[in-house]
Amino acid sequence: GAVVSQHPSWVICKSGTSVKIECRSLDFQATTMFWYRQFPKQSLMLMATSNEGSKATYEQGVEKDKFLINHASLTLSTLTVTSAHPEDSSFYICSARDPLRGEAFFGQGTRLTVV
Amino acid sequence: QQQVKQSPQSLIVQKGGISIINCAYENTAFDYFPWYQQFPGKGPALLIAIRPDVSEKKEGRFTISFNKSAKQFSLHIMDSQPGDSATYFCAAGVSGYALNFGKGTSLLVTP
Repeated sequence: GAVVSQHPSWVICKSGTSVKIECRSLDFQATTMFWYRQFPKQSLMLMATSNEGSKATYEQGVEKDKFLINHASLTLSTLTVTSAHPEDSSFYICSARDPLRGEAFFGQGTRLTVV
Repeated sequence: QQQVKQSPQSLIVQKGGISIINCAYENTAFDYFPWYQQFPGKGPALLIAIRPDVSEKKEGRFTISFNKSAKQFSLHIMDSQPGDSATYFCAAGVSGYALNFGKGTSLLVTP
């Protein structure tokens, strides 16, 4: 089946540094990808919609200067958490929809811990 | 406003039993209704999905029932196994746009 690959699966960084998370669609092209954040024992919260070749669309309350999204190709979107702080520690998950099959698939998630 | 309401929040089923999770939605424009299974520390895995032109879809032990007029859909897990213990999320959305998720159901299947 279709696969969305996310890397890294976990990362620990110091406060004030930046972290980049990659999301790749491995066997289909995705003009649109989605980035979610999930807190423990909670549902997925949409952060932003990543559009290939154009600016991302951010949900209300999500700081676009802190969470930089780049969708440079039809198979790759990146989320960069800039100047990370402990409150940014969370589980980040990307999603992409296979345009041929119409199904939405998720990456494995990235556990970010800021110390 | 929660666009997709999911119940129950938690569910305990004996091995071999049927697990049933229900969801309701408000937006009649939604045309895609997937269910995801999530294990701790992992991303959601697509289990099964349905579109509003059919009332039921079955894949192995997993069945989605869809009631368009009531704006409800449910997941049935037949012959539940301990390995099915996970969190299940229903979602709904318009094709090509972000999904709206339910709050999740924590399923425990006891041996």
